[in-house]
Amino acid sequence: GAVVSQHPSWVICKSGTSVKIECRSLDFQATTMFWYRQFPKQSLMLMATSNEGSKATYEQGVEKDKFLINHASLTLSTLTVTSAHPEDSSFYICSARHKGLAGSYNEQFFGPGTRLTVL
Amino acid sequence: ELKVEQNPLFLSMQEGKNYTIYCNYSTTSDRLYWYRQDPGKSLESLFVLLSNGAVKQEGRLMASLDTKARLSTLHITAAVHDLSATYFCAVARYYGNNRLAFGKGNQVVVIP
Repeated sequence: GAVVSQHPSWVICKSGTSVKIECRSLDFQATTMFWYRQFPKQSLMLMATSNEGSKATYEQGVEKDKFLINHASLTLSTLTVTSAHPEDSSFYICSARHKGLAGSYNEQFFGPGTRLTVL
Repeated sequence: ELKVEQNPLFLSMQEGKNYTIYCNYSTTSDRLYWYRQDPGKSLESLFVLLSNGAVKQEGRLMASLDTKARLSTLHITAAVHDLSATYFCAVARYYGNNRLAFGKGNQVVVIP
């Protein structure tokens, strides 16, 4: 149980285009989903916290107009990188917090990641 | 601001020997997590530590937490090649919707 998927697993796009990444909790409902970005050999940096049915909360320094987050249901959150540029190339990882799972200790379950390359 | 420091950032281990890696954090927290990441992959959950003195073991890995010292250790017993990976610790912000702050990771390479 507690499986999180991401789609696509990798994407290459041209500079100036927009890319949408989906994050799904497959076998549980997630009250909260988180989006992280990881540059090569770096740590995970939290970008935003996404709560179902409400606006996402962005971390300081993350442009909300550039990284659009939608959390339309308890099993799906999307991240859209608008007008992508080469500096947006990174590994994007989502995680989901399990709603109501006894003993889950608010643990986040991580998706497999999406590698974005902007040419 | 919650800061998480891991050291050493890189560690070359000899097979069969024991090693410890460290995670320090700067402010009060009630949960600490250890994750493993293989190259090009996402995070695999290893341990969640909730209270002072907590100790958890899985195979050759053992994690402990000292909340007074704000220190967690990950001990590797008799290292084997399969344990080569980057190990991240993450600390939950005490007030903050379970937002996690990650350390920079301990990159471990186990050599014969």
